[in-house]
Amino acid sequence: DQQVKQNSPSLSVQEGRISILNCDYTNSMFDYFLWYKKYPAEGPTFLISISSIKDKNEDGRFTVFLNKSAKHLSLHIVPSQPGDSAVYFCAASLYSGAGSYQLTFGKGTKLSVIP
Amino acid sequence: DAGITQSPRHKVTETGTPVTLRCHQTENHRYMYWYRQDPGHGLRLIHYSYGVKDTDKGEVSDGYSVSRSKTEDFLLTLESATSSQTSVYFCAISEVGQGLYNEQFFGPGTRLTVL
Repeated sequence: DQQVKQNSPSLSVQEGRISILNCDYTNSMFDYFLWYKKYPAEGPTFLISISSIKDKNEDGRFTVFLNKSAKHLSLHIVPSQPGDSAVYFCAASLYSGAGSYQLTFGKGTKLSVIP
Repeated sequence: DAGITQSPRHKVTETGTPVTLRCHQTENHRYMYWYRQDPGHGLRLIHYSYGVKDTDKGEVSDGYSVSRSKTEDFLLTLESATSSQTSVYFCAISEVGQGLYNEQFFGPGTRLTVL
């Protein structure tokens, strides 16, 4: 049973426009949510995160919104640039004991920004 | 970039042979993780470590073992490789405190092919 879902495998956006990537989760115990960006043949790179007690976090062109009642989060990229073309993973954090947090990842959304 | 290296970066092996993948970090982070990435599955946790000699299983641990004898090294062993273990393997590290919460930082990955 998938606890973190990214229902759109791919998304195409024109350069300069807004990209919106969506993520849904089922476990209300998740306490932190993260977005990662991955280029081919590289490891995922941490992008932005949000605590479950907040509803918005912004970092430059990237903003993450959290709607706890709907168990939904989204990543907004404004304006989108060709270099943003990558696979984006949504992840949710859960405390697993001994001070460690486990991340559960969605399957990813491939974003293509068209020049 | 976090100081994480993985070796080897690519490996081709035959079914039934043992394989060991190495993750080395220079960040002195306490927590280390092994993931595998497969098409249609995102990233799935295999095993993780919360200190030297302290390890635990993740979501897809069958057929894998790990060891951590030093803070900087985390080894993943496939005792008898099978074709279903053909995948890209990522190591990640994390720490709590020092301005970090539970973001995980990933290595460049190892592409393993089992024939």
